[in-house]
Amino acid sequence: DFVMTQSPDSLAVSLGERATINCKSSRSVLYSFNNKNYLAWYQQKPGQPPKLLISWASTRESGVPDRFSGSGSGTDFTLTISSLQAEDVAVYFCQQFYGTPPYTFGQGTKLEIK
Amino acid sequence: EVQLLESGGNLVQPGGSLRLSCEASGFTFSSYAMTWVRQAPGKGLEWVSDISGSGETTHYADSVKGRFTISRDNSKNTLYVQMNSLRADDTAVYYCAKDRVAGRTINHYFDFWGQGTLVTVSS
Repeated sequence: DFVMTQSPDSLAVSLGERATINCKSSRSVLYSFNNKNYLAWYQQKPGQPPKLLISWASTRESGVPDRFSGSGSGTDFTLTISSLQAEDVAVYFCQQFYGTPPYTFGQGTKLEIK
Repeated sequence: EVQLLESGGNLVQPGGSLRLSCEASGFTFSSYAMTWVRQAPGKGLEWVSDISGSGETTHYADSVKGRFTISRDNSKNTLYVQMNSLRADDTAVYYCAKDRVAGRTINHYFDFWGQGTLVTVSS
């Protein structure tokens, strides 16, 4: 099974500053046949279900602000929030969806305002 | 508007059983694989089980294999999970989630989630 490890576990960033969250997979999630990375990012605010932000490592979902971006390939990925807003306080999870299940999630990164 | 409404969560004793339901609306239910994901209190997300749109293909996490059974009734737009031999470490909020892309049996990621239903396993 894939093990997804996020870093850091928690992060405090000032409003308007950049926030960077990392996700490392124990195995590559890049499928050479189509050159796609099977990696998604979710945001979960307190008391709410997760919300899909990014799929295929870097494709932003409709309606997601463009301050959110995803990058990386193979085993190492990054979610970047270019200018932190108060409403971005949440826990962020990466998820691999390569091949057959289980589709594992990272342990989560808690993002707070400094 | 896509809506997913879970129900059936409750307090149950170790060794007991429970059936969760997820009623879907706002999309062509039979075209999409559906998944159960759980989250223990204060913890991360754990993929539990999924089922293809037709119901023919299912997958389970090792932690629930042989104890949980996923199913769906496309005539009722409803997803189920029958949970038997429940243990304390099954305590969690259980979410149902819709696959982002229609027609797939693998490679699932999720664009809509329900609000979740709490299962507590305790004596």
